[in-house]
Amino acid sequence: AQSVTQLDSQVPVFEEAPVELRCNYSSSVSVYLFWYVQYPNQGLQLLLKYLSGSTLVKGINGFEAEFNKSQTSFHLRKPSVHISDTAEYFCAVSDKGNTPLVFGKGTRLSVIA
Amino acid sequence: DAGVTQSPTHLIKTRGQHVTLRCSPISGHKSVSWYQQVLGQGPQFIFQYYEKEERGRGNFPDRFSARQFPNYSSELNVNALLLGDSALYLCASSLLGGNYGYTFGSGTRLTVV
Repeated sequence: AQSVTQLDSQVPVFEEAPVELRCNYSSSVSVYLFWYVQYPNQGLQLLLKYLSGSTLVKGINGFEAEFNKSQTSFHLRKPSVHISDTAEYFCAVSDKGNTPLVFGKGTRLSVIA
Repeated sequence: DAGVTQSPTHLIKTRGQHVTLRCSPISGHKSVSWYQQVLGQGPQFIFQYYEKEERGRGNFPDRFSARQFPNYSSELNVNALLLGDSALYLCASSLLGGNYGYTFGSGTRLTVV
């Protein structure tokens, strides 16, 4: 069964600084990878997804992620964060096909003014 | 277009009671999945329905059940509530049965006292 490890439970960062949120998944032949964001008292919003093709995926709100098959990683990056990026971020994986999403425990990003 | 709609938004129940949570998918979406998110954790898969048939079930006890109606809306039922069932219950819909991109609702916050 798939599993996801988000290496940092909390990441504080100053406004306009770059940020990287790390995600590693257990190995599989082929996978789909996702990043979701959750604002307080809200559901999950899809930031970006990797299904196939280019390993560099661009998403909404200036976020991007890079799929690294050899390191089984899918780290999320943003070159310059804003206060409004403060939220919980979840990495998720599924095997190709009709299998459910498996989520990591989340990383709380706190942007400091 | 309306997104995924869940009702109620908040609910307080007593141990031993049962609860029914409702979800209306995005118009045209035929697949609905349910996830449980305990405070401080990532969402855990409970059920997936596609075209009114159960397509997957997570590691949850038989107290949890669900169904999908002809209009593709769905209900999640939980019997004999335990304190540990307190969580945010998320519904997600997608166009097909696959996981190319789920849209999540804002969730139902269930508190069991």
